[in-house]
Amino acid sequence: SQTIHQWPATLVQPVGSPLSLECTVEGTSNPNLYWYRQAAGRGLQLLFYSVGIGQISSEVPQNLSASRPQDRQFILSSKKLLLSDSGFYLCAWNTGVGGELFFGEGSRLTVL
Amino acid sequence: AQTVTQSQPEMSVQEAETVTLSCTYDTSENNYYLFWYKQPPSRQMILVIRQEAYKQQNATENRFSVNFQKAAKSFSLKISDSQLGDTAMYFCAFLPNTGNQFYFGTGTSLTVIP
Repeated sequence: SQTIHQWPATLVQPVGSPLSLECTVEGTSNPNLYWYRQAAGRGLQLLFYSVGIGQISSEVPQNLSASRPQDRQFILSSKKLLLSDSGFYLCAWNTGVGGELFFGEGSRLTVL
Repeated sequence: AQTVTQSQPEMSVQEAETVTLSCTYDTSENNYYLFWYKQPPSRQMILVIRQEAYKQQNATENRFSVNFQKAAKSFSLKISDSQLGDTAMYFCAFLPNTGNQFYFGTGTSLTVIP
C-alpha cells in the first residue's frame, strides 16, 4: 500500500533562518507531488507541484523553493524565513490524470 | 482560470440529522473531476468522495452523497445521519482533465452537535 511521510511535524524558527521540510512517498512510482500551505481557517494555497524528477512548477513567487532529488522525495526550502511564512504545510501526491490527492499529516511552521 | 467557491464558512447540524454543503465552480473545461475532502481537527486531509464530470450519476459513499449539476456548475455534498466524527473542515476541489493542478475552495467548517 502507498504511504506518505512528511516531517518535521512541528517547527519553530527565527526570522531569517533556513527551512527544510521533507516529504517522501512509498509504494508507488512517478507520482505527481505537491506542496500546499494552509493559513489558519483558510483554504489551501498551492505552492509547488512536480510531475517528475527535477521538474518543478511554482505557483506563488516568494522566498520558498522546492526540489525533487528523487522520484518519491519532495523538499520545500527557504534560505531566509519571513514572518509571513508561518502556516501549516501539506505535502500531497497523486498518480496522474483524475487521481485523488493523498495528503501527508502536515508540518506546522511558526516563524518568530 | 478555474475557481471554486464554498459560500458557507461555517455550518452546524444536529447529530443524526442531514446537512448539505454547497460548492460551485467556474470552468470552461468539459471534462474534469470534482472532490470533497475532509480535514478533521487532527489535521490529516482525507478524501470523502470523487465525481467524474462525464458521469451523470451522482457519486455516493455510504452516508455521503453528492448532487452534481454540471450545467449549473454545482457540486454539493450531502451528509446523512450526521455523526460526531463528521465534525471537520470540508473542502471542495476541482481537477481539470487536461492538467495536474487542483483548485480548492476555502472550506466549510462543519460542527455536529450532540
